[in-house]
Amino acid sequence: EVQLLESGGGLVQPGGSLRLSCAASGFIFNNYGMSWVRQAPGKGLEWVSAIFPSGGRTWYADSVKGRFTISRDSSRNTVYLQMSSLRAEDTALYYCAKNRGPAATIPDSWGQGTLVTVSS
Amino acid sequence: QAVVTQEPSLTVSPGGAVTLTCGSSTGAVTSGHYPYWFQQKPGQAPRTLIYDISNKNSWTPARFSGSLLGDKAALTLSGAQPEDEADYYCLLAFSGTPVFGGGTKLTVL
Repeated sequence: EVQLLESGGGLVQPGGSLRLSCAASGFIFNNYGMSWVRQAPGKGLEWVSAIFPSGGRTWYADSVKGRFTISRDSSRNTVYLQMSSLRAEDTALYYCAKNRGPAATIPDSWGQGTLVTVSS
Repeated sequence: QAVVTQEPSLTVSPGGAVTLTCGSSTGAVTSGHYPYWFQQKPGQAPRTLIYDISNKNSWTPARFSGSLLGDKAALTLSGAQPEDEADYYCLLAFSGTPVFGGGTKLTVL
C-alpha cells in the first residue's frame, strides 16, 4: 500500500523559508516521479512541482518558479520541497503525491498534506 | 498558461445520472492531455478516480466512467449515491505541465 507522510509545515513570516518533507513507502521509490500539489483554504487544487526518479528533471508552476526547489533522496525514500521568499498567497495545505510512472508529472496517489501558513 | 474549465456546481438526484466536463482554453481536449479526474470529500485528500481519459483505479466504483465528449473530457456518473457528493477536479497536462480545473461541487439531492 502506498503511504506518503508529509511533514515540515507551520507558520512562517512573509519572506521566510520552509522545507517540506514527504516520506514514501509501499512502492519502489526510484521507479516513480513525485509531485507536490497545494490547496489554499476553501479553494481548489494547484499543481506546484514534480521531479523524475533520477532527480535530474524538475518541473514548476509559474507561480513558484525561482522560489521553490523540489528534490529527492533515494536513500531515504523522501521528496522535499524547499520554499523561500514565501508570500501570503502560498498559504495552503501542501500534498505530496506519487506520480503514475517514472516520466510522469501527474499526481496519482496522495498523502494527507501538511499545512503552511504565511503570516506576520 | 492554459486554463482548464469545469462547471462550478451540479446537482443530481439519487440514482440519477450526471456528466461533468473539462475543457481547455487552448482548444479541444485530446488523449495527449492525459485527462485525469479526482474526487475530494470534505476534510480528505483527493483520490484519483479516472486516468488517461477512461482508465479506472481498483477503488473506482463502476458507476463512474470517463470519456472524450466533443472537445472536452467528461466524467459520467450513472446511478448516483449519497456518498458521491464531493468536489471533482479534472487535470490536463500541457506539454508535461499539469493544470487543474477549478473543480465541480456535486450535490446529490
